[in-house]
Parts: sequence; structure tokens; C-alpha cells
Amino acid sequence: AQSVTQLDSHVSVSEGTPVLLRCNYSSSYSPSLFWYVQHPNKGLQLLLKYTSAATLVKGINGFEAEFKKSETSFHLTKPSAHMSDAAEYFCVVSDPGNTGKLIFGQGTTLQVKP
Amino acid sequence: DTAVSQTPKYLVTQMGNDKSIKCEQNLGHDTMYWYKQDSKKFLKIMFSYNNKELIINETVPNRFSPKSPDKAHLNLHINSLELGDSAVYFCASSDPLESTDTQYFGPGTRLTVL
Repeated sequence: AQSVTQLDSHVSVSEGTPVLLRCNYSSSYSPSLFWYVQHPNKGLQLLLKYTSAATLVKGINGFEAEFKKSETSFHLTKPSAHMSDAAEYFCVVSDPGNTGKLIFGQGTTLQVKP
Repeated sequence: DTAVSQTPKYLVTQMGNDKSIKCEQNLGHDTMYWYKQDSKKFLKIMFSYNNKELIINETVPNRFSPKSPDKAHLNLHINSLELGDSAVYFCASSDPLESTDTQYFGPGTRLTVL
């Protein structure tokens, strides 16, 4: 069965410092992996997606993630945090049965301090 | 140009009432979904429709009934509302012919049952 585990429920960084949000996945297949962001009282926005084309994936707003099959990880990074990055981040794996079902991680709250 | 829209944004109602949430997408997608986000921000799929046909029905009480009048709309009707139904409900859509099957989410409907 597919699953994702976000290793930190809460991450706090200072503005201008790097961001690392950790995600491990479990999959019997070559997975499709996503990172979504949810700003307070807003819907979910796609940050980036991995589809087996390239292991380093660049997304919007300076975020990127690297797919590491040997470590079953898909960590999200950004070189320099901005106050507007404060939000909830979800690592997501897609069910391989072409049903479109997304399986969400528990979420990581990113706090950015001035 | 809202891609996926939901109405209402907020819904406050009494236990035992029946209510509906509407969802519309103008992306031309064939597949639409309903997700529930609980108080701990955990997201789980409830239903999925492809071209007006039900393709995913997770373990959801039969008080919840999705209705798809056409492929651009997927409404969620809830009978005999209970306190535990309080949550944020998200609609999403995708094009299954797209290789990554990216899902685009609406802004959410916050349901509060008193």
C-alpha cells in the first residue's frame, strides 16, 4: 500500500535561512509524488511534482525537491525562506491504479520568524 | 477566472439538518473529487467521479451522497448532519489523460455542525 510520512509536524526557521521539509514514502511501484501548500484559510496549491522524468524537481516560489529512491525520500527545500512561505505543506503520493486517488501525509507547519 | 470553485465558503448548521456543497470546475477535466480535512488538517479522499460516473467511494457514511449533473459539477449532499461532520471539504479536478494526473483544488468549504 502507498503511504507518505512527513517527519516533522512543525518546522520553524528565520527569514532568509534555508528550509527543509522531510518526507518519506512507501510504494510498491514507481510513484508519482507531489508537494502541496495550504496557506491559512486557503485551498491547496501545487508546489511541484515528481513523475520520473528527473530526480530533482523545481517548483514555484523557489522550492525544489529531490527524489531519492534508495532512501525512499522526497524532501522539499528552499535556499532562503520568506515570510510569505509560512503555511502548511503536504507531501502526497498518487495511487498507482490510475484512480487518481491522492494519499496525503500528515502535513508540516512551516513557521518563518522575522 | 476561478478554475475550481465551491459554494458556500462557510456553512454553519444544526445537527440533524441536510445540507449541500456545490463544486464547479471550468478546466474541462473529466474527473472530480471530494476530500475531507479534519481538525488536525489531515486530508482524505471521499469520492471521485469520472465523467459523471462514481469511481472511488471510500468508507464514507451513506449520509454523504455525491451528485454529478454534468462533468463540470460535483455536488456533495449530506443528510442528518452530525457533530463529527464538522471539517473543511475540498473539491478537486484532474485530467486523467495528463501523465501526472495533477489535481487542482477548490478553496474549501468550512462546515460547522452545532
